[in-house]
Amino acid sequence: NAGVTQTPKFRILKIGQSMTLQCTQDMNHNYMYWYRQDPGMGLKLIYYSVGAGITDKGEVPNGYNVSRSTTEDFPLRLELAAPSQTSVYFCASSYSSRGDGYTFGSGTRLTVV
Amino acid sequence: GQSLEQPSEVTAVEGAIVQINCTYQTSGFYGLSWYQQHDGGAPTFLSYNALDGLEETGRFSSFLSRSDSYGYLLLQELQMKDSASYFCAVSLATGGFKTIFGAGTRLFVKA
Repeated sequence: NAGVTQTPKFRILKIGQSMTLQCTQDMNHNYMYWYRQDPGMGLKLIYYSVGAGITDKGEVPNGYNVSRSTTEDFPLRLELAAPSQTSVYFCASSYSSRGDGYTFGSGTRLTVV
Repeated sequence: GQSLEQPSEVTAVEGAIVQINCTYQTSGFYGLSWYQQHDGGAPTFLSYNALDGLEETGRFSSFLSRSDSYGYLLLQELQMKDSASYFCAVSLATGGFKTIFGAGTRLFVKA
């Protein structure tokens, strides 16, 4: 049982480039989330999804896009990367919307130069 | 808006008990959660309080008082491996299914 799998683990982007962060879960969770974590800080919600085909903005959605075509996959798209997007990105899933029992992926460390 | 306040750092001795506080300002939420994160790792779920009172899970306990807008995580019999960051989080009852995290408390356990 893999849980939540994120790829890649590390990536360096040049300013203006685009990329997709992949996230897959095998727990049949309806709820999925993307967070970013800046050094020494907490987690900021970028986007979330309550099921296939349904997504919504979180606290810091600007510069990002998501899609949810299947229950398992929730990719995060960065368009026109900027240095402010340098961060660690975590994908998570949960069986409920109450906030408990989130399972996080191992993270993607992104640097924009 | 919503906000959560936690101390930035706490230091304790191995074998001791430590309490990490979390105060929050939010119009409504389902519950208060606690997560642990070791350096370079992913957050892992520790505890959840939907109702006022104490929830115990092994060496960890968590408390919530909605009337005081306050909660805490209690760690007993501290071990060196408990050195990590601890985050409180609230799941908002309005504006969609959003869970907001505090900035985290870094716990240092000394021998």
